[in-house]
Parts: sequence; structure tokens; C-alpha cells
Amino acid sequence: DVKVTQSSRYLVKRTGEKVFLECVQDMDHENMFWYRQDPGLGLRLIYFSYDVKMKEKGDIPEGYSVSREKKERFSLILESASTNQTSMYLCASSTANQPQHFGDGTRLSIL
Amino acid sequence: AQSVTQLGSHVSVSEGALVLLRCNYSSSVPPYLFWYVQYPNQGLQLLLKYTSAATLVKGINGFEAEFKKSETSFHLTKPSAHMSDAAEYFCAVSEPGANSKLTFGKGITLSVRP
Repeated sequence: DVKVTQSSRYLVKRTGEKVFLECVQDMDHENMFWYRQDPGLGLRLIYFSYDVKMKEKGDIPEGYSVSREKKERFSLILESASTNQTSMYLCASSTANQPQHFGDGTRLSIL
Repeated sequence: AQSVTQLGSHVSVSEGALVLLRCNYSSSVPPYLFWYVQYPNQGLQLLLKYTSAATLVKGINGFEAEFKKSETSFHLTKPSAHMSDAAEYFCAVSEPGANSKLTFGKGITLSVRP
């Protein structure tokens, strides 16, 4: 079974902090994705990566950046956290034309 | 550009009743379509997928969905609801070959009454 592991289930940070969310997958998938999930808005794509050191902006990249130095790891970075970035963050991975597999999510609160 | 419409935010059914969750999509090319389920405090789990083979797709936990090109629909059904089906359900669309990038609907919460 594919395993996508997000480093934290719950995280509390302060405004202005630099925040790192980590995601690791164990199936050698080339594609990895970061979403945020908000009530009534569904899942919105922040960034995705289809290869090591490659990244592409999703629908809502503002205020975020990503890093993919190794194939199995995809990091989401909030450069200067703001309260409107309080949300559930979901990581996913996939291989070509196959369904995405999701981690359990990180519920991030920015105070 | 692709989009997914899931009308309504909440559906409530009685245990044993038919479950019908609607999904309509728009896509400029023949799409791949997915239904995912999310239980409380968990990530998304794949229920079923349509990838241009049979139009009636069977998934896990007794769910199935039918791809209807003429109606641009991919509605999810289950003949008899169980209490354990209470969750949030997401329909999603992708273009074949597009690095499996998904566009999600807003989701719909299913409640099951005893």
C-alpha cells in the first residue's frame, strides 16, 4: 500500500513565523501535490511537483513556496505565516495517470 | 479548463436507503473522473475511478458511479446506506496525461440517520 506521511497532524504557529510542512511518500511516485482544504471550498491546489527540483504553481500559490530536493519528500513553506493561512493542509502523491494517494493532513493554526 | 460541480453541501439519508451524490463536470478533453471519501480527521481515500473503460464503475464499500458523457455527469450511488458511510465525499476530474493534476468539487457531507 502507498504510504504518504505528513510530519505533523496538528501545528500551532504565530503570525510572521516561517513554517515548514513536510510530506514523505514511499512508492517512488514522480508527482507530489500540496492542497489546502477549507469548509465550503473543497480542496485547492497550492503547488505540485512532477520531478525532483521541479515545481509548478497551482491555483493558490501566493504566500507559499515548496521544495523538492529528493523524490520522496515534498515540503511546503509558509514564508511569513498569516492568520488567513489557518487551514487543513493535505499532501498527495501519484504516478502517471494513476489516482492520487493522500496523507492524513496537517491542521495548521496561525495565531 | 476543468471544473466540477457538486450541488448542495449536505445530504441526509436513513440507514438502508439509497445514497445518491451528484457530480457534474466540464472538461475540454475526455476526462478521468474520481470519487474520494474523507472520514473525520483523516485524509482522502479513493472510492472509485473512471479512466475511459467501462462507463459503470464499481468501487469500494458497495459504491458505484456511472459516467454519462451526454449529461457530463458522474453520480455516485449506493443501494443501501450504512451508518459507517457518514463522511465527506469529493468528486474530482483530471485530464489524461496532465501529471494526474486533479480539480476537486467543493465536497458534500453525507449523514446517515438510524
